[in-house]
Amino acid sequence: DAGVIQSPRHEVTEMGQEVTLRCKPISGHDYLFWYRQTMMRGLELLIYFNNNVPIDDSGMPEDRFSAKMPNASFSTLKIQPSEPRDSAVYFCASSPDSSPRGAEAFFGQGTRLTVV
Amino acid sequence: GEDVEQSLFLSVREGDSSVINCTYTDSSSTYLYWYKQEPGAGLQLLTYIFSNMDMKQDQRLTVLLNKKDKHLSLRIADTQTGDSAIYFCAVLTSGSARQLTFGSGTQLTVLP
Repeated sequence: DAGVIQSPRHEVTEMGQEVTLRCKPISGHDYLFWYRQTMMRGLELLIYFNNNVPIDDSGMPEDRFSAKMPNASFSTLKIQPSEPRDSAVYFCASSPDSSPRGAEAFFGQGTRLTVV
Repeated sequence: GEDVEQSLFLSVREGDSSVINCTYTDSSSTYLYWYKQEPGAGLQLLTYIFSNMDMKQDQRLTVLLNKKDKHLSLRIADTQTGDSAIYFCAVLTSGSARQLTFGSGTQLTVLP
């Protein structure tokens, strides 16, 4: 398996524009997580899905953020409208339902978002 | 909820041992992990320990768990320049489904 695949790797956009980040989890993994990493706040969990259903979105900063998982192999994180404070690295991770290593999460390479 | 804390920076000389520390608050933590993040990359699982263990060794890595003090450490023997990275402690708490709580990460710098 190629691992968790995120696109794009880098995104530069102007304030007010819509941004869509994409993620393809590892095949067979039942859990998908979206994280945001900044220098100030470290790694924050935004939302996670189990079998395509959102379970906990309490980490989503505000209504400008939305996430979907229309099927087991694809998820999007959308920011509309984007603001400079949304600049961060966004990670997607997936995890199998059962593993001898508990809740081991496999991370994608991340999308570096810059909002100017 | 669970709170996981780490010191932000650690510098060591090449060939020395590195010890990265982590404290957590929830005594019902079941699995504890160490992840490594190299520049421009995602997090990769380095090693993990189950809460019924006190120590785990994996080549140059030694994980120590003190459940009484809720303290986890990662020791890297014979530290190399390729070990320079950010190391994250992560904890799975009983009842939290698959949701890991991550520390802030420790930036390890290995000096020649």
